[in-house]
Amino acid sequence: AQSVTQLGSHVSVSEGALVLLRCNYSSSVPPYLFWYVQYPNQGLQLLLKYTSAATLVKGINGFEAEFKKSETSFHLTKPSAHMRDAAEYFCAVRLSGNTGKLIFGQGTTLQVKP
Amino acid sequence: EAGVTQFPSHSVIEKGQTVTLRCDPISGHDNLYWYRRVMGKEIKFLLHFVKESKQDESGMPNNRFLAERTGGTYSTLKVQPAELEDSGVYFCASSQGTLAVTDTQYFGPGTRLTVL
Repeated sequence: AQSVTQLGSHVSVSEGALVLLRCNYSSSVPPYLFWYVQYPNQGLQLLLKYTSAATLVKGINGFEAEFKKSETSFHLTKPSAHMRDAAEYFCAVRLSGNTGKLIFGQGTTLQVKP
Repeated sequence: EAGVTQFPSHSVIEKGQTVTLRCDPISGHDNLYWYRRVMGKEIKFLLHFVKESKQDESGMPNNRFLAERTGGTYSTLKVQPAELEDSGVYFCASSQGTLAVTDTQYFGPGTRLTVL
């Protein structure tokens, strides 16, 4: 079965520091990969997605992620954290084919300290 | 343009009662999805509508859950009778296209269901 693993349910960084949220997937075929963010009391918002066009994907709010097939990873990074980045982040995978089902990781809560 | 809306935002019911959750997708979106997040667990897929038809209901936990999308617009998810393990946040999402790789799912804020 396909799965997504996010290492670390909670990550804490100082404002201005590098943000690194880890995501590994298991898939026998190249999947489509997504990062979503959920701010308090809001729905999930798409940050970025990998669609096989380029391995380095840039998203909104200064986030980017790199697809590494050899490591089956899709880690999310941001060079400099802002207080407003405090939220919960979800990595998700969708298989190719005729299904829209997303398979999510457990989520990582990012805390940004002043 | 209005986003995906869900009603109610919170619902507290007792075990054995019935609850109906509603989702209004973005206008024009043919695809509608239901997901659920039980506390401490990952968000899990429940089912997928294309217009009024169920495309994939492989994630529905049991026959106490009934989803409908009459007319291909809004959708309801009924839980009858509710059990304690049904507590969680129920998310609805919609997307416009034909499941192409660029098809983005837009999520609603969720309904938090608590079964006592």
